[in-house]
Amino acid sequence: ETVLTQSPGTLSLSPGETAALSCRASQSVVSNYFAWYQQKPGQAPRLLIYGSSNRATGIPDRFIASGSGTNFTLTIGGLEPEDSALYYCQQSGSSLTFGGGTKVEVK
Amino acid sequence: QVQLQESGPGLVKPSETLSLTCTVSGGSFGTDYWSWIRQTPGRRLEWIGHVSYSGSTNYNPSLKSRIAMSVDTSNNQFSLNLRSVTVADTAVYYCARFGHSGKQFYFDYWGQGMLVTVSS
Repeated sequence: ETVLTQSPGTLSLSPGETAALSCRASQSVVSNYFAWYQQKPGQAPRLLIYGSSNRATGIPDRFIASGSGTNFTLTIGGLEPEDSALYYCQQSGSSLTFGGGTKVEVK
Repeated sequence: QVQLQESGPGLVKPSETLSLTCTVSGGSFGTDYWSWIRQTPGRRLEWIGHVSYSGSTNYNPSLKSRIAMSVDTSNNQFSLNLRSVTVADTAVYYCARFGHSGKQFYFDYWGQGMLVTVSS
């Protein structure tokens, strides 16, 4: 199976700043099979990005994702306090796995 | 709007079978794959497996020997049985739809999650 490694583990930033989240795969992932999710405390994960760079319905354009092969990035511009959450990457090209998550704190 | 709701016992004894059901409403049950995912207390997400409308399944290799999933199309439900549980199976269990747009696949609808504790 493909192992996904996310970094950093935690990001602490101020409102208005930009967050850069990384997800590295142990083997190449076809972009169609790569997604990002946001999870707030007490809630289920929510789809942010699919097909490595396509925003899901209702996701603001402050969320920009890119990448291919083994390196994928999620950038959140103009951070707002409501962006505080856990962020997970996920691939379904080789079995189906999630990364360990990045915690983003905005305060 | 598709909605999913997990149900089942919140406490299971070690060595017994964990059984959960997910009820789907507000959308077509006859497309895509229907999935179980769990989140450990350490916040790690683990895919358990999928079942389709027709009953075909795809399981996580690490859990495959203990899992059975099934679908009840007449009631828009799908189910998970996880045998021989241990404390390591304690987690929040989510059901979700593994949807697609063309050849792009993703989990687009999730249940609220259900905590299942394995303890004697």
